[in-house]
Amino acid sequence: GENVEQHPSTLSVQEGDSAVIKCTYSDSASNYFPWYKQELGKRPQLIIDIRSNVGEKKDQRIAVTLNKTAKHFSLHITETQPEDSAVYFCAANKDDMRFGAGTRLTVKP
Amino acid sequence: DAGVIQSPRHEVTEMGQEVTLRCKPISGHNSLFWYRQTMMRGLELLIYFNNNVPIDDSGMPEDRFSAKMPNASFSTLKIQPSEPRDSAVYFCASSEFGQLNTIYFGEGSWLTVV
Repeated sequence: GENVEQHPSTLSVQEGDSAVIKCTYSDSASNYFPWYKQELGKRPQLIIDIRSNVGEKKDQRIAVTLNKTAKHFSLHITETQPEDSAVYFCAANKDDMRFGAGTRLTVKP
Repeated sequence: DAGVIQSPRHEVTEMGQEVTLRCKPISGHNSLFWYRQTMMRGLELLIYFNNNVPIDDSGMPEDRFSAKMPNASFSTLKIQPSEPRDSAVYFCASSEFGQLNTIYFGEGSWLTVV
């Protein structure tokens, strides 16, 4: 089955700086790559996604890039704010949805 | 739509007892997923259904775990007998069938086995 690796496991940045989280996947047949944000005690919620016919997608301060040849995709958050602090999960969808291990992002005021 | 509905939200049970977790997917969604979340193992896919049929249960940890989906609007995850290491948050999620569709999570069932 699909295997998703996510790095780093923890990330601490100053407010206003950028944050980058990277994921790799194993199955070249995967073609849908969502990112979820999970706040403490809450459910994971979709923040952005990308499909394999697109290389980059942006939504305000967040962007995702996809390199299908290298089988990796990344989440970029610019101008980080304290409310961005959460655990972020990447996922890859072939027949099911497999998640990375998560990145705990802390944005320090 | 009310979203994916799970019950119970919290359960504390004694080792050896049977635990049943319930899920109602979003109306019109025909794929349903059960995940387990722990600090050590992250979000693990236990089993998923398409059109009420179990497709892949390779993530179910042991025979103590079983899942059913008797109809399009209801699924259960059962643990019998429960053990302390089963303590985790169990999420149900649903999506429209197909590879490119977003999955939506329920609020989770927080299980503690003592």
